[in-house]
Amino acid sequence: IVLTQSPATLSLSPGQRATLSCRASQSVGTYLAWYQHKPGQAPRLLIYEASNRATGIPPRFSGSGSGTDFTLIISSLEPEDFAVYYCQQRSNWLTFGGGTKVEIK
Amino acid sequence: QLQLRESGPGLVKPSETLSLICTVPGDSINRSNYYWGWIRQPPGKGLEWMGSIYYSGTTYDNPSLKSRVAISVDTSRKQFSLKLSSVTAADTAVYYCARHFRVAGSLGDFDLWGRGTLVTVSA
Repeated sequence: IVLTQSPATLSLSPGQRATLSCRASQSVGTYLAWYQHKPGQAPRLLIYEASNRATGIPPRFSGSGSGTDFTLIISSLEPEDFAVYYCQQRSNWLTFGGGTKVEIK
Repeated sequence: QLQLRESGPGLVKPSETLSLICTVPGDSINRSNYYWGWIRQPPGKGLEWMGSIYYSGTTYDNPSLKSRVAISVDTSRKQFSLKLSSVTAADTAVYYCARHFRVAGSLGDFDLWGRGTLVTVSA
């Protein structure tokens, strides 16, 4: 299953809302997760099963969607949120999307 | 916060075998609700799941790697390892080890990662 993330880069200012998209080549149900990755650090699980926040993840992160279309929303960007975000499906083996870089405008 | 730790050579020659070890903190390697996996990221590219192992030794490999991957586990040492044979320059990547949930007997999402280790394939 191929996951396509858009946009590739999102240029925003702190306090703004970020909307990230992940589209699957076939239905994955709700077996979709989102990760945050900063350079030199371990990736961090944000969302599992499309809409459930992982332990310790602040409520400004929210996920939605099912089937083939999914969205990650960061309601108000904090300075520490600028990073690369990946979606990942586990419906058929495990695959990741190509990532969306959220950069400071 | 707990973190996995990858270790191994940073440089491997073409056609040789890449070998990495992941050390797991605490006792979770013996727990029945986790799998242990390897993921890599070539420079400028996205993440690729390579394969995973259960504490019993059962393995799950990414079919796209065409059987070049071998993953093993040593619960007494709290480690699991990756061997990737017949490497080429295309295998140059940051290699991550990670823990993921066992959900209804299937591979789940990754909840704990290492920081990754860069392996370069070059003569």
